[in-house]
Amino acid sequence: AQSVTQPDIHITVSEGASLELRCNYSYGATPYLFWYVQSPGQGLQLLLKYFSGDTLVQGIKGFEAEFKRSQSSFNLRKPSVHWSDAAEYFCAVGARAGNNRKLIWGLGTSLAVNP
Amino acid sequence: NAGVMQNPRHLVRRRGQEARLRCSPMKGHSHVYWYRQLPEEGLKFMVYLQKENIIDESGMPKERFSAEFPKEGPSILRIQQVVRGDSAAYFCASSPGQGENEKLFFGSGTQLSVL
Repeated sequence: AQSVTQPDIHITVSEGASLELRCNYSYGATPYLFWYVQSPGQGLQLLLKYFSGDTLVQGIKGFEAEFKRSQSSFNLRKPSVHWSDAAEYFCAVGARAGNNRKLIWGLGTSLAVNP
Repeated sequence: NAGVMQNPRHLVRRRGQEARLRCSPMKGHSHVYWYRQLPEEGLKFMVYLQKENIIDESGMPKERFSAEFPKEGPSILRIQQVVRGDSAAYFCASSPGQGENEKLFFGSGTQLSVL
């Protein structure tokens, strides 16, 4: 079955600390992986995506993620968290399948940042 | 992403009433996706539309739900005879087209509450 698992429902970090949000997937085809962020009252915004090539991808706002095929993981990282990073983070996997392209989403990880 | 406009932001309906959710895609985007986010669940794909065409509605409940994206005007997600289980956040996303680098732009969602 196709699925995305974000093991951490809620994470709290101190401002300036490093961050890693976990994402594991189960997908039959070649996965295309995404991280989205949802700030309060806002729509989801794409942070970064992995389609092919270099397995370490850089995104906006200083985020990066590493695709590890052997571990079926696509963890999101940031070396130093800012208070404005407090939000809900969603990992998603999709397939390049023409008109039927759609994403399978994780349940999200809620990030709180302490001053 | 302010470019995708959804309204209303919050919609309250009594059981048996109809709910109409609107989505205006970003300018120049001709592809619209609707997702539903139920409590304690990840985003679930509902339907994918292009102008005047439903491309993929495999995620739509078989009854009471319908969607359209007319030549002029916003995309509409219509739920007839709402029930409490329809209470959820409904997100719309748009994209300019298909392709490996397709990027989805999300609206801020409509929170539907059924009393």
